[in-house]
Amino acid sequence: GAVVSQHPSRVICKSGTSVKIECRSLDFQATTMFWYRQFPKQSLMLMATSNEGSKATYEQGVEKDKFLINHASLTLSTLTVTSAHPEDSSFYICSARYGQGNYGYTFGSGTRLTVV
Amino acid sequence: GEDVEQSLFLSVREGDSSVINCTYTDSSSTYLYWYKQEPGAGLQLLTYIFSNMDMKQDQRLTVLLNKKDKHLSLRIADTQTGDSAIYFCAETGNQGGKLIFGQGTELSVKP
Repeated sequence: GAVVSQHPSRVICKSGTSVKIECRSLDFQATTMFWYRQFPKQSLMLMATSNEGSKATYEQGVEKDKFLINHASLTLSTLTVTSAHPEDSSFYICSARYGQGNYGYTFGSGTRLTVV
Repeated sequence: GEDVEQSLFLSVREGDSSVINCTYTDSSSTYLYWYKQEPGAGLQLLTYIFSNMDMKQDQRLTVLLNKKDKHLSLRIADTQTGDSAIYFCAETGNQGGKLIFGQGTELSVKP
């Protein structure tokens, strides 16, 4: 149980275009989802916390107009990288909290974004 | 602020035990976690420990928590080549339930 499906797993796009990454909770309702970015050989950097039906909360230094987050339903959150540039190339991972209490976090399989 | 630190590399021989260490700063964390990440993949939850526990064992994995020293460790018994991966410790911190990750420890298991 508590599976999060993330798509696409890999995407290559041209500079200036936008890319949407989807994160779906398959067997539970996720009121809160988290979006992380990971550079090679580095830890996960939290970009934003996505709450169903309300605006996302962005971490300091993350451009909200560049990384658009939409959490319109209890099972789907999307991250759109707008006007992508090569420096946006990275591994993006979503996570969702599940269950009662504060102990259940499940992660998507990640999206490798390459901007050329 | 919240901070989680780990050593970056660990190399062991197959069959030996591996011990990965982690220190954290936020004493209000309710749960502490160990995740495994294989190349190009997401994170897989290995185990977690509630902050009022000292030890938790699950098959080959043993987690030790020293709350006084804010030190967490993961011991993998009989380490196999398939255990080669990056291991992250994480705490929940005190702000909105987000996970705070350490830098990750790259475990290399040599045959």
